[in-house]
Amino acid sequence: KAGVTQTPRYLIKTRGQQVTLSCSPISGHRSVSWYQQTPGQGLQFLFEYFSETQRNKGNFPGRFSGRQFSNSRSEMNVSTLELGDSALYLCASSLDGPTEAFFGQGTRLTVV
Amino acid sequence: GQSLEQPSEVTAVEGAIVQINCTYQTSGFYGLSWYQQHDGGAPTFLSYNGLDGLEETGRFSSFLSRSDSYGYLLLQELQMKDSASYFCAVRVDRGSTLGRLYFGRGTQLTVWP
Repeated sequence: KAGVTQTPRYLIKTRGQQVTLSCSPISGHRSVSWYQQTPGQGLQFLFEYFSETQRNKGNFPGRFSGRQFSNSRSEMNVSTLELGDSALYLCASSLDGPTEAFFGQGTRLTVV
Repeated sequence: GQSLEQPSEVTAVEGAIVQINCTYQTSGFYGLSWYQQHDGGAPTFLSYNGLDGLEETGRFSSFLSRSDSYGYLLLQELQMKDSASYFCAVRVDRGSTLGRLYFGRGTQLTVWP
């Protein structure tokens, strides 16, 4: 069974640009969450989607947005990139249940 | 705000037992999870405690005391491959989906031969 797939794995962008990251969950998983991981702040929750609806949102500015498609695949978008957005962005999928998140390898975003 | 405290580093030798503690203060509590992350890798789920007590999964055990807002992960018969970062995470939302997980800053475990 394939795991959570995130693309691209690495990305370099310039300040002010925007970026779209993609996540394909494990087959059958309808819930997708996004996290930002940095050395300074650790792992921080961005959003959660279930059946194409945003269920929860973390404390990030409106430049961070996301969506989920009918096949459960999800994208997140960051507009007007800032240097501080450089991070590992992790996507996690889960079954209909509250216990376990399956994380992808992440997208390493570097803003220069 | 949400606060999870865990030690930043722990070292041990192969074959030993190590305990990583986690104390939390969160706006809601619907379970404590533990994740392992190797350098450059994805976090992987280790265990979940929704109720007080001990959960055992092979060499790993996890404990929760909701009244003390405290939990720990116990790793037995340590192996070199256990060298990684370990994160505690609190689920703060009630409902049928995972909801928001708040993570501790992670404990870097180094296992020496």
